[in-house]
Amino acid sequence: TQLLEQSPQFLSIQEGENLTVYCNSSSVFSSLQWYRQEPGEGPVLLVTVVTGGEVKKLKRLTFQFGDARKDSSLHITAAQPGDTGLYLCAGAGNTGKLIFGQGTTLQVKP
Amino acid sequence: GAVVSQHPSRVICKSGTSVKIECRSLDFQATTMFWYRQFPKQSLMLMATSNEGSKATYEQGVEKDKFLINHASLTLSTLTVTSAHPEDSSFYICSALGGSPNEQFFGPGTRLTVL
Repeated sequence: TQLLEQSPQFLSIQEGENLTVYCNSSSVFSSLQWYRQEPGEGPVLLVTVVTGGEVKKLKRLTFQFGDARKDSSLHITAAQPGDTGLYLCAGAGNTGKLIFGQGTTLQVKP
Repeated sequence: GAVVSQHPSRVICKSGTSVKIECRSLDFQATTMFWYRQFPKQSLMLMATSNEGSKATYEQGVEKDKFLINHASLTLSTLTVTSAHPEDSSFYICSALGGSPNEQFFGPGTRLTVL
């Protein structure tokens, strides 16, 4: 069974601080996706990483896929209140399904 | 980008009644759709995989007779919660498999409250 361990599960920081969210697994994924979800809405895809060692940037967000394609991280620089939300990582499993991490609830206080 | 809609967005029903939730891919055809359930501040839990023209595949622990899934066309999958109980209250989200491998597009979700 493929599992994704996401940490931390809750994070409350002040505006302007940096943070990193981690997703780790003992399994190899063909790709890994990061989503952001706001209350009462569906997840919105932020990025898909496919190649081991790949780094993608989306404004203040930096996504990295581990060399072995077993782990990934999301780093947010100078967090803003608008970054508040639930962040989810999801790996593409060997059955075609997405394996979701537990999610990270981020609160950025002004 | 690909758009997936869900209807209704919110539904309140009495215990014992059945509720149908629709998931539509608006600008693309989806042979495969997925149904998820989500509790507050938790991640998505896959309930079942819906395949057009064939029976849905349910995850372990999900009652197929309680959560009926029908994928009658390439753009529509429905989830019917039968004989709903308060513990079925949750946020239900569908997704549709897009053209790229493993690319899923999510609907906006349906909030079900069973009184």
